[in-house]
Amino acid sequence: AQSVTQLDSHVSVSEGTPVLLRCNYSSSYSPSLFWYVQHPNKGLQLLLKYTSAATLVKGINGFEAEFKKSETSFHLTKPSAHMSDAAEYFCVGTKYIFGTGTRLKVLA
Amino acid sequence: ETGVTQSPTHLIKTRGQQVTLRCSSQSGHNTVSWYQQALGQGPQFIFQYYREEENGRGNFPPRFSGLQFPNYSSELNVNALELDDSALYLCASSLDGLSGNTIYFGEGSWLTVV
Repeated sequence: AQSVTQLDSHVSVSEGTPVLLRCNYSSSYSPSLFWYVQHPNKGLQLLLKYTSAATLVKGINGFEAEFKKSETSFHLTKPSAHMSDAAEYFCVGTKYIFGTGTRLKVLA
Repeated sequence: ETGVTQSPTHLIKTRGQQVTLRCSSQSGHNTVSWYQQALGQGPQFIFQYYREEENGRGNFPPRFSGLQFPNYSSELNVNALELDDSALYLCASSLDGLSGNTIYFGEGSWLTVV
């Protein structure tokens, strides 16, 4: 069975600095992986997904993630954080199993 | 906007009662999944329906049941409500029940059990 582990429950960055949200997966086969974002009192929005076509996946709002099979990781990054990026981020694996989430705080 | 709509948006029920939540999927999508998101936690998969048949189920008791209709809309029913059932219930639609396909979420139904 596949699972995903988000390594940080909370991440704080200053506006304009890079964002790194970490996700590791466990799977015995090539996984499908997603990142979703949830703003307060809002539904979940897809940021990007990996389905084996390319290891570097570009998403919306300047986010991207790199699939690294050797490290079983699918970390989410953004070069420069914006205040509007403050939200909860979920890494999601095959069979739509959610990670526990990472709350991103962006400091002015 | 994902095109997935849920109703009601908020409701309050008493312990022991039954509740029905409704979801209309995005146009063209034949698969609906339901999730429970307790406060401060990630969504937990309840079950998925593909072309009116249950197509996978998470670790939820039988008092959580569902239906999918010919137009692919769906209902989640919860019997004998417990206080711990208080949560945001999310519906998501996708195409063909395949785990690599993107799922699109509605904004959820907030259920409070008192």
